[in-house]
Amino acid sequence: NAGVTQTPKFQVLKTGQSMTLQCAQDMNHEYMSWYRQDPGMGLRLIHYSVGAGITDQGEVPNGYNVSRSTTEDFPLRLLSAAPSQTSVYFCASSYAPFRYGEHEQFFGPGTRLTVL
Amino acid sequence: AQTVTQSQPEMSVQEAETVTLSCTYDTSESDYYLFWYKQPPSRQMILVIRQEAYKQQNATENRFSVNFQKAAKSFSLKISDSQLGDAAMYFCACTTGGSQGNLIFGKGTKLSVKP
Repeated sequence: NAGVTQTPKFQVLKTGQSMTLQCAQDMNHEYMSWYRQDPGMGLRLIHYSVGAGITDQGEVPNGYNVSRSTTEDFPLRLLSAAPSQTSVYFCASSYAPFRYGEHEQFFGPGTRLTVL
Repeated sequence: AQTVTQSQPEMSVQEAETVTLSCTYDTSESDYYLFWYKQPPSRQMILVIRQEAYKQQNATENRFSVNFQKAAKSFSLKISDSQLGDAAMYFCACTTGGSQGNLIFGKGTKLSVKP
């Protein structure tokens, strides 16, 4: 199993540009989420999904869109990049907590995004 | 609002010694889970240990153990026989309630290990 994969590993954008961060998992996990990590801030939840076709907002959703058309993929879209979105982005997945109880979240390797 | 607080931005330990990282949390949930994650310089998030709040027994994983004080809402991580490979950022996390499985993280503690 590849686990949780994220592409790209690094990205530089100009203010106003849009892009999609890709996330895929091959563990048949129902739960997937996106976090951002900023220096001194820990990880903060952006959006999450409890299954295909179901998404919801986390703590810091503004400026980001998500969709979940398949169990495997959970892309994160930046609609109009801003310097405040410079961060490291992590995707995570787990078995459905509501079905199996709380399970370990498996994290991808992260994407470092810089917005100029 | 739920919060997770790690009061030690940085800690240092001598190789082979023991170190304790502090974490306090605030939740109104009766059923929740607590985690410690390790983030080495590679940036990969690695689960170190987890604790179910309804279990009174403290979790242990080899050299890692926790001191879970439910009434005090405290969840500290003890690393015994510290190794150079333990040097990393350590994050404490708590589930946010409901059945979604979301986590709220502390700001992290940077652990250095001196040879």
